Amino acid sequence: GEDVEQSLFLSVREGDSSVINCTYTDSSSTYLYWYKQEPGAGLQLLTYIFSNMDMKQDQRLTVLLNKKDKHLSLRIADTQTGDSAIYFCAERADGGATNKLIFGTGTLLAVQP
Amino acid sequence: GAGVSQSPSNKVTEKGKDVELRCDPISGHTALYWYRQSLGQGLEFLIYFQGNSAPDKSGLPSDRFSAERTGGSVSTLTIQRTQQEDSAVYLCASSLVAGGRSEQFFGPGTRLTVL
Repeated sequence: GEDVEQSLFLSVREGDSSVINCTYTDSSSTYLYWYKQEPGAGLQLLTYIFSNMDMKQDQRLTVLLNKKDKHLSLRIADTQTGDSAIYFCAERADGGATNKLIFGTGTLLAVQP
Repeated sequence: GAGVSQSPSNKVTEKGKDVELRCDPISGHTALYWYRQSLGQGLEFLIYFQGNSAPDKSGLPSDRFSAERTGGSVSTLTIQRTQQEDSAVYLCASSLVAGGRSEQFFGPGTRLTVL
């Protein structure tokens, strides 16, 4: 079945790097996404990676994909207090035949000044 | 130039009542999605519209839940005979087209509390 798992909580100090991890189960996933949710706000797409890529970098964000292990990670360089939020990974499952997103449980990132 | 909007932002209702939640997608977006975010279940897909039709209703938890979309734009999610376990934040998203890497843009959600 479809299942996406993340660790629940991560605490880092301002200026350090944050790494948020995600594991998924559907090997036919085409796109994998990282969303950010700030308190009282909707989900904001941060970045995505296509399943034939291993890595994608976008400014302070680096996404790594290990298809063999079905593992996705998001690295935030030089983490700022404004990065404090819940981060969700999501997959487009079923080889893209469906357009629904399967979300992970979310990781709460707390950035200490 | 608004994003996805949802109304109401908060809804408190009594068990057994019916509720209607509204979603206004971004103008021109053909695909519309409903998700539910709750403490116990995380973020779950409910239903997806392409135009006015719903090719995927697989996430609707029971027959008390229904949704429609008219004019390829506004969508309404209706929950009949609400139960306490329906309490959650209901999120709507839209995308320009379905499929590919078309980004889903999310609204702020409607927080439903069933007493």
